[in-house]
Amino acid sequence: DAGVIQSPRHEVTEMGQEVTLRCKPISGHDYLFWYRQTMMRGLELLIYFNNNVPIDDSGMPEDRFSAKMPNASFSTLKIQPSEPRDSAVYFCASSRTSGNQPQHFGDGTRLSIL
Amino acid sequence: GQQVMQIPQYQHVQEGEDFTTYCNSSTTLSNIQWYKQRPGGHPVFLIQLVKSGEVKKQKRLTFQFGEAKKNSSLHITATQTTDVGTYFCADQGAQKLVFGQGTRLTINP
Repeated sequence: DAGVIQSPRHEVTEMGQEVTLRCKPISGHDYLFWYRQTMMRGLELLIYFNNNVPIDDSGMPEDRFSAKMPNASFSTLKIQPSEPRDSAVYFCASSRTSGNQPQHFGDGTRLSIL
Repeated sequence: GQQVMQIPQYQHVQEGEDFTTYCNSSTTLSNIQWYKQRPGGHPVFLIQLVKSGEVKKQKRLTFQFGEAKKNSSLHITATQTTDVGTYFCADQGAQKLVFGQGTRLTINP
């Protein structure tokens, strides 16, 4: 079975530009999570969805960040406008249900904002 | 909110030596999951602990959950170069994972 698929794998862009990260969860998984990983702050949960509905976005840094899940097989994380401090690795993960289920992570998107 | 403290932050060992990472919380942990992230890779699920005092083994890896469910540990016996990476504990509560800062393990062959 295919795992969680993220694109792009790498993104380098100038500050002020819009950035869109994409994620395809594992088929049949009804939870989807977006994380950000940096050396300073570790692995942070940004937002998660259950059955395409955002449940908790308390980790979203600010209004420049937005996430959508238009259907069960696709989610996006958008940053507009981007800033250098947004540089990080962004992971998407999915799980079958909440509680007692492991999360399966994608390979991540390494984002660099110049 | 819930905080999960993990120590040490870094550990360097000689190949063949043992390694232990500890996960602590001031409040009761719900379920503990352990993940491994290889350099340049993504976190990969290793195991989940649910019950107080639970001990689980995976080959050279031993996972423990404290009796009071406020701490957990991962012990690797006789490390190998393939064990290199960052090990994370995560508390699964309220439908989401709260990750510790991770312990980065490096090994001298």
